[in-house]
Amino acid sequence: GQQLNQSPQSMFIQEGEDVSMNCTSSSIFNTWLWYKQDPGEGPVLLIALYKAGELTSNGRLTAQFGITRKDSFLNISASIPSDVGIYFCAAYSGAGSYQLTFGKGTKLSVIP
Amino acid sequence: DAGVIQSPRHEVTEMGQEVTLRCKPISGHNSLFWYRQTMMRGLELLIYFNNNVPIDDSGMPEDRFSAKMPNASFSTLKIQPSEPRDSAVYFCASRMDTRNYGYTFGSGTRLTVV
Repeated sequence: GQQLNQSPQSMFIQEGEDVSMNCTSSSIFNTWLWYKQDPGEGPVLLIALYKAGELTSNGRLTAQFGITRKDSFLNISASIPSDVGIYFCAAYSGAGSYQLTFGKGTKLSVIP
Repeated sequence: DAGVIQSPRHEVTEMGQEVTLRCKPISGHNSLFWYRQTMMRGLELLIYFNNNVPIDDSGMPEDRFSAKMPNASFSTLKIQPSEPRDSAVYFCASRMDTRNYGYTFGSGTRLTVV
């Protein structure tokens, strides 16, 4: 079945550093999403991308929908302690799709 | 907007007991999803409802699991009888189908079966 390969699995960074994580697949997707999950909570949508090549920002977060439609990345600039959590990529495969495919997540730890 | 509301937040039960998890989706959302999250398997889709009708239940582990959506504002996930391997965090999520928006997740129910 369709899989999203998310990397890295975990990261330890210093406060103030920039962060980059990505998601790749052998399948084509037409919508890419990035979620963040805080401990004890459900995933929260951060950014949605709908067109190949699209680059979208949300505050310190920037995400891009890859040209091949098989990948996406998320960057976080000037990390702060509250950025700690698990970041998931997710994607829909076609128009009218209902089922999101999720990556396994990237666990981010920020050292003050 | 109160978001997706799940109850209880935590449930500890003994093996063999019946467990019922509850979900109130966001008003106006016509799709509802139940997910299970574990360290080993990540987020797994259990069942998907559209306009209160179950569309895809292929992710339901076995007959011990059942889900209902009697109206647009309420859904339940029932496990009977529960087993220790059912211990996980169960999420409900909802979506409006006008576009490929992401789901809105509830805060989850952490189930522990002892």
